[in-house]
Amino acid sequence: AQKVTQAQTEISVVEKEDVTLDCVYETRDTTYYLFWYKQPPSGELVFLIRRNSFDEQNEISGRYSWNFQKSTSSFNFTITASQVVDSAVYFCALSETINYGGSQGNLIFGKGTKLSVKP
Amino acid sequence: ETGVTQSPTHLIKTRGQQVTLRCSSQSGHNTVSWYQQALGQGPQFIFQYYREEENGRGNFPPRFSGLQFPNYSSELNVNALELDDSALYLCASSADREETQYFGPGTRLLVL
Repeated sequence: AQKVTQAQTEISVVEKEDVTLDCVYETRDTTYYLFWYKQPPSGELVFLIRRNSFDEQNEISGRYSWNFQKSTSSFNFTITASQVVDSAVYFCALSETINYGGSQGNLIFGKGTKLSVKP
Repeated sequence: ETGVTQSPTHLIKTRGQQVTLRCSSQSGHNTVSWYQQALGQGPQFIFQYYREEENGRGNFPPRFSGLQFPNYSSELNVNALELDDSALYLCASSADREETQYFGPGTRLLVL
């Protein structure tokens, strides 16, 4: 079965600290996509990144970086020099495919990690 | 470019009633997916519509139904509301079925 596990339920850091959010996934597909979304208190899910299963290069975007390792089925997200505005719930997601009875593009989400950044 | 919009933002219903939630997709997007997010949980896939046809369905009963219109906007209908239907309902649109999904602000439904 396809599954996403975010073991960290809540993380609290002080502003300017670095923080890593963990994501472990399970899938039988060889082609899939992984995503990270941010959900601030307003509720809207904000897209952060999409990664193809064939592209294991790490990616950096400003203070955000992502480490994709197929060998350990992990797709971790690091925020460098955290800020109060980073406080939100962060979701890791896996795209489901039609190969195992799913529908193309359906997202399977983890339970999320609530990040609190204190000033 | 207009993002995904949803209406209403909040809704209160009583058990047994019916509800219709609406979603306008982002310009140029032909696929709409609906998710239910219970408090403290990740979103759960309800169904997806592609070019006005249902393209897949999650583990939700038939009383959850939907439509997609020629302009690619969409409706989610829920009949015979139950207390457990209380949740945030999220709509997402994408340029195609496997493209990145962009979410709207959601509709918060409370069933009493």
